[in-house]
Amino acid sequence: DAGVIQSPRHEVTEMGQEVTLRCKPISGHDYLFWYRQTMMRGLELLIYFNNNVPIDDSGMPEDRFSAKMPNASFSTLKIQPSEPRDSAVYFCASSLWTSGYNEQFFGPGTRLTVL
Amino acid sequence: SQQGEEDPQALSIQEGENATMNCSYKTSINNLQWYRQNSGRGLVHLILIRSNEREKHSGRLRVTLDTSKKSSSLLITASRAADTASYFCATDRKETSGSRLTFGEGTQLTVNP
Repeated sequence: DAGVIQSPRHEVTEMGQEVTLRCKPISGHDYLFWYRQTMMRGLELLIYFNNNVPIDDSGMPEDRFSAKMPNASFSTLKIQPSEPRDSAVYFCASSLWTSGYNEQFFGPGTRLTVL
Repeated sequence: SQQGEEDPQALSIQEGENATMNCSYKTSINNLQWYRQNSGRGLVHLILIRSNEREKHSGRLRVTLDTSKKSSSLLITASRAADTASYFCATDRKETSGSRLTFGEGTQLTVNP
């Protein structure tokens, strides 16, 4: 298995532009998570899905952030319009929940820089 | 303070020494997990210990869990320069369902050759 795939790996954009981050979870996993990591705030959970349905989006910082999971093998995180404070590394992770075992598998991340 | 606090925040040791990192949490858990993050990479799962377990081993890793004190420790024996990374504990809290985990702020471990 190729693991969790994220694209792009690096994104540099200007303030006000729309940014779309993409994630392909591990086949068969039923949970998908979007995290943001910065030096100041550490690792923050933004939103997570179970069987393609958003379960908790309370970590999404503002209405500028939105996430979708149209099918079991694809998810997007969109920021519109982007701001410099959105600069961070965004991770996608997936998991297969079985009783007692729920390790998460992380993608390599997308490093976003908003100028 | 947040669920899952690692202690110390940073640790620097010499190759061959043992490294011990601690994690404290606040609410009841189903399990506790430790992850490693190398610079510029995603987190990688190391080991999981269930709430009814007290100790677990995996290679050079030893994890303990004390649910009465709501704390866990990760011991890396005979450390190597390649162990240099950030280490995070993550809790599967009873109050949340499914696969959601609550991550701590991490311990930055530096192993000097």
